Amino acid sequence: DGGITQSPKYLFRKEGQNVTLSCEQNLNHDAMYWYRQDPGQGLRLIYYSQIVNDFQKGDIAEGYSVSREKKESFPLTVTSAQKNPTAFYLCASSPGDGYTFGSGTRLTVV
Amino acid sequence: DAKTTQPPSMDCAEGRAANLPCNHSTISGNEYVYWYRQIHSQGPQYIIHGLKNNETNEMASLIITEDRKSSTLILPHATLRDTAVYYCIVMVIYNQGGKLIFGQGTELSVKP
Repeated sequence: DGGITQSPKYLFRKEGQNVTLSCEQNLNHDAMYWYRQDPGQGLRLIYYSQIVNDFQKGDIAEGYSVSREKKESFPLTVTSAQKNPTAFYLCASSPGDGYTFGSGTRLTVV
Repeated sequence: DAKTTQPPSMDCAEGRAANLPCNHSTISGNEYVYWYRQIHSQGPQYIIHGLKNNETNEMASLIITEDRKSSTLILPHATLRDTAVYYCIVMVIYNQGGKLIFGQGTELSVKP
C-alpha cells in the first residue's frame, strides 16, 4: 500500500544533541512538507520541498535543516540551535492537490 | 498567517448532523477550500475540498457560499469517532503542491 512512513514514533534526546527524523513516501509525490505541532495548537510549517534537490523555509525554519536528495525521502534534522524542540512533528506529501500525512514523530528533549 | 476563522469548539449529539462553519473572507479566485481533521496524536486526515460548487463524498458535504467568503462542513450523522479537531484551509493548487497553512481549527466533541 502507498503511504508516508515516519520513524520513529517516539524519540528521546538529550538537550544539545542534533536528531534526524525520517520521512519516506512511496506515493510518487513531488512535494513534501514538515510541520510542527505543540500541545493544543495547530500545525506550523517548518520546511517544504516541491522538487528533488530544492527546498524552501516555512514559517518556523530556525533551528531546523532538511535535505531532498531523493524524491521519496525528506529527512528533518532538529539541531541544537532549536530552543524548544520538544513537539509533535508531522511529515506530508502532495501531488499538487491534497496532502497525505504521516502518523507523526513525538520528540522529547530532556 | 492562517486565512480562515473557525469557532474554537463545538458539541454535537451522536446521530445528529454536525455543521462546522468557516470564514475565509479574503479568499482569492484560484484558492480552494480544504477540510482536514485530526484525531488526537495522529496525522491530519483529508475530508473534502472544493472551489465554488458544493461537494459531497462518503465522509461529508461541503457548502460554499456564492461569494465564497465562507463555507460549512457537514457531517450528516455524527458518530463518537468523529470527535476530532477540524481544520478549514484555503490553498492554491499548482503542479508541484501548494502550502497548507493551518489555523487553530474547531474541536468537535460528539456526545452520546
